[in-house]
Amino acid sequence: GAVVSQHPSWVICKSGTSVKIECRSLDFQATTMFWYRQFPKQSLMLMATSNEGSKATYEQGVEKDKFLINHASLTLSTLTVTSAHPEDSSFYICSARPGQGREEAFFGQGTRLTVV
Amino acid sequence: AQTVTQSQPEMSVQEAETVTLSCTYDTSESNYYLFWYKQPPSRQMILVIRQEAYKQQNATENRFSVNFQKAAKSFSLKISDSQLGDTAMYFCAFSGNTPLVFGKGTRLSVIA
Repeated sequence: GAVVSQHPSWVICKSGTSVKIECRSLDFQATTMFWYRQFPKQSLMLMATSNEGSKATYEQGVEKDKFLINHASLTLSTLTVTSAHPEDSSFYICSARPGQGREEAFFGQGTRLTVV
Repeated sequence: AQTVTQSQPEMSVQEAETVTLSCTYDTSESNYYLFWYKQPPSRQMILVIRQEAYKQQNATENRFSVNFQKAAKSFSLKISDSQLGDTAMYFCAFSGNTPLVFGKGTRLSVIA
């Protein structure tokens, strides 16, 4: 299957600082990527849809200014958690689809963010 | 809006036995895909099996098979000859005109 690489796999940062998470599609181009947040023992919650060359589409309740998404190329989307607070600590996962349709999405390895 | 329901939060099965995980969904769309994803302790999401709604034949991937009942909007996963490595969270997912919609997951434990 297609490969999606996410970096870093884990990060610890201090409150008030910003953290950037990268999501790359290694062997295909992705005009759309997706960012999820997953709390312990819960399902994936879609945060936003990242669109190459345009603004991201955020789900209801997700702060656009807190979670900045940039999709500057067909193989890279970034999620920046700005002015991080302990409540932002979570597991963040990105995914991408090789095609334009409804086919399966492939997922990055995830990033465990801990804000201290 | 589409919804996906997994009614079994946790299940366990003896090694080498068969287990079935349930999933129901609700949609008004006619063209869609359904998936089962596995999330082991590493938390990497792994595609287990996919089913296209327009195909009547149930998908099969080695020890994994589905029972797709389109009219009933049911999409269960059967794991045969369960192995210890099958221990994981299993998520049922719907793909239509919106991004993937996930169920809440079923935690499967395979017992030696």
